[in-house]
Amino acid sequence: DSGVTQTPKHLITATGQRVTLRCSPRSGDLSVYWYQQSLDQGLQFLIQYYNGEERAKGNILERFSAQQFPDLHSELNLSSLELGDSALYFCASSPGTGQQGYTFGSGTRLTVV
Amino acid sequence: DQQVKQNSPSLSVQEGRISILNCDYTNSMFDYFLWYKKYPAEGPTFLISISSIKDKNEDGRFTVFLNKSAKHLSLHIVPSQPGDSAVYFCAASVMGTYKYIFGTGTRLKVLA
Repeated sequence: DSGVTQTPKHLITATGQRVTLRCSPRSGDLSVYWYQQSLDQGLQFLIQYYNGEERAKGNILERFSAQQFPDLHSELNLSSLELGDSALYFCASSPGTGQQGYTFGSGTRLTVV
Repeated sequence: DQQVKQNSPSLSVQEGRISILNCDYTNSMFDYFLWYKKYPAEGPTFLISISSIKDKNEDGRFTVFLNKSAKHLSLHIVPSQPGDSAVYFCAASVMGTYKYIFGTGTRLKVLA
């Protein structure tokens, strides 16, 4: 158990729908990062939050949004889902800005049918 | 544009021998590098890191080498053990940018 909790572990939904993925960071960590891993792809950085504020943005689609709440948990919202959004979505956390490396959760597998 | 490349999707090594995993990068601004290991159904776990001021960092059986002029880093595992069988990702960042760019991973299989 890495200390980073992601729910749900698996999610199957239809095209056009909207889903919310949740992440609770490791105790004491202020930064949360979201990554997407599609089939045979590396981990693609989506977005980072630090203590409630957006700090960095990667290749995140406009249909996707995220936020970090005062209790430091984070949610990734995916809307108007397409088949190509099927992927593993990982959340990671770090105490500060991540230079010391992240701690990853075990991921949420999203399948869009 | 893949800034971090792991050109070998898979590697098989005999138990007890050395495993060498390679990673190339294109952005000369990268100054901090990490290796992660990932088992099936788990998230990646941090293995070892190196900053651009060093050319080598060791942690037990794991050593990372950085060749800045060639924009190349490698992870050496000696001796390799069956439990090392996993997917290995290298990642790079520019200090202060708050994000890591990951390679596509190399699947290592250590044969008993």
